[in-house]
Amino acid sequence: KQEVTQIPAALSVPEGENLVLNCSFTDSAIYNLQWFRQDPGKGLTSLLLIQSSQREQTSGRLNASLDKSSGRSTLYIAASQPGDSATYLCAVTGGSEKLVFGKGTKLTVNP
Amino acid sequence: DTAVSQTPKYLVTQMGNDKSIKCEQNLGHDTMYWYKQDSKKFLKIMFSYNNKELIINETVPNRFSPKSPDKAHLNLHINSLELGDSAVYFCASSPLAGANSGNEQFFGPGTRLTVL
Repeated sequence: KQEVTQIPAALSVPEGENLVLNCSFTDSAIYNLQWFRQDPGKGLTSLLLIQSSQREQTSGRLNASLDKSSGRSTLYIAASQPGDSATYLCAVTGGSEKLVFGKGTKLTVNP
Repeated sequence: DTAVSQTPKYLVTQMGNDKSIKCEQNLGHDTMYWYKQDSKKFLKIMFSYNNKELIINETVPNRFSPKSPDKAHLNLHINSLELGDSAVYFCASSPLAGANSGNEQFFGPGTRLTVL
């Protein structure tokens, strides 16, 4: 059974810092990994999708890496801003097409 | 131009009532999903439909019955609501079903259900 773990559960940083969020999964037989952002009381916004054959994806200040064999992914946020404050969720898709989510990392960027 | 929309956004109801949540996607996707986010913010799959056919049912109580009138809509009907059903329910869609599809899922804004 796939399990997804995200570390840390919460992170508070000053504005301008570069930071890394971690995600690990127990079953390396995945088809893709997706990073989402969730703002309080809001839905999920897809940030990056990495296919199992890819090693990384970049979008603006965000860079996500995938090491499928070791069951790990990282989300790197460069030059963090207060607007980046949100909960970041990692999810993997296996053979059944369903997304299995981690519990998220709550990020606070202080001005 | 909302890609995945859900109604209502908020739903407050008494225990024992029956209620429905509607979801529509205008992305032309073949597959739609229902997820539940509990009070601890943990998201879990409930159902998945591909082109109106059920493909995933994650041992959800049979008080929950999804209905897909066409591939752009997936509604969730809940009978005899219980306190533990209080959660945020998210609808999502993706282009294709099947192994190795590796498709991105797009989520709706969620429906916050409160059972009193």
